[in-house]
Amino acid sequence: GEDVEQSLFLSVREGDSSVINCTYTDSSSTYLYWYKQEPGAGLQLLTYIFSNMDMKQDQRLTVLLNKKDKHLSLRIADTQTGDSAIYFCAESSSNTGKLIFGQGTTLQVKP
Amino acid sequence: DGGITQSPKYLFRKEGQNVTLSCEQNLNHDAMYWYRQDPGQGLRLIYYSQIVNDFQKGDIAEGYSVSREKKESFPLTVTSAQKNPTAFYLCASSDPGRGRAEAFFGQGTRLTVV
Repeated sequence: GEDVEQSLFLSVREGDSSVINCTYTDSSSTYLYWYKQEPGAGLQLLTYIFSNMDMKQDQRLTVLLNKKDKHLSLRIADTQTGDSAIYFCAESSSNTGKLIFGQGTTLQVKP
Repeated sequence: DGGITQSPKYLFRKEGQNVTLSCEQNLNHDAMYWYRQDPGQGLRLIYYSQIVNDFQKGDIAEGYSVSREKKESFPLTVTSAQKNPTAFYLCASSDPGRGRAEAFFGQGTRLTVV
C-alpha cells in the first residue's frame, strides 16, 4: 500500500538552513504537501507541489521533488526559533482528497 | 474568517461511554475528514465524507461512527467499542472535486480516557 517515510528528528542552529526529507511509494501521487504542527495545535499547510513540478519556492521555503526517486524535501532558509515544530509530509493520489502522512520530523532550532 | 472549528479542545471519557467530537467548517468545502494522531506517529484516517449524507471508512474506522447531515458539520462519535481512544483527533476539509486539493485542519480535540 501507500507509504510515506520521514526521519524523526532534525536539530539546527538559528540562521542555518534546515532540510527535511521525505520518501513516498505511490507513483500515482498527484499532490505532495508539507504541513507544520506546533505543540497542542492543528496542522498548518505550509506549501504543496503538484506532481508535474520539480521545484517550488515560497519566501524562505523551497520544495524539491524528485519523481524518479520518489523523494521530496523541504528547505527552510535562515531558520528561526519560531520554526521549531513538527513537520509532516503528506501525499494525495485520489480525487477523494485523502492524505497519507509521514510520521513527522521534529525540528529543533537552537539559539 | 473562514475556517474549521473543533470542540471541545479537551475531552475526558469514562470507560464504556460514548463521546461525540464536533467539527464545523464555513469554507464551503464538499469533503471533510477525521484523522487520529498518536505520539510519534503520523495522522491516520478514520472516516471521510465527500458529500452530504455520504461517508466512507478510512484505515482505522473500527469503534468510531460519523454522520454528515449538513455540509458544514461532520461530528465523530467515539464508541465504547474503541479499545484505545486516548489520542489527538483532527478534523479537516478540502474541495478536491473543484481542483482545490489542499486540506485545512481544525485545532484538534484531545481525548483522554479516565
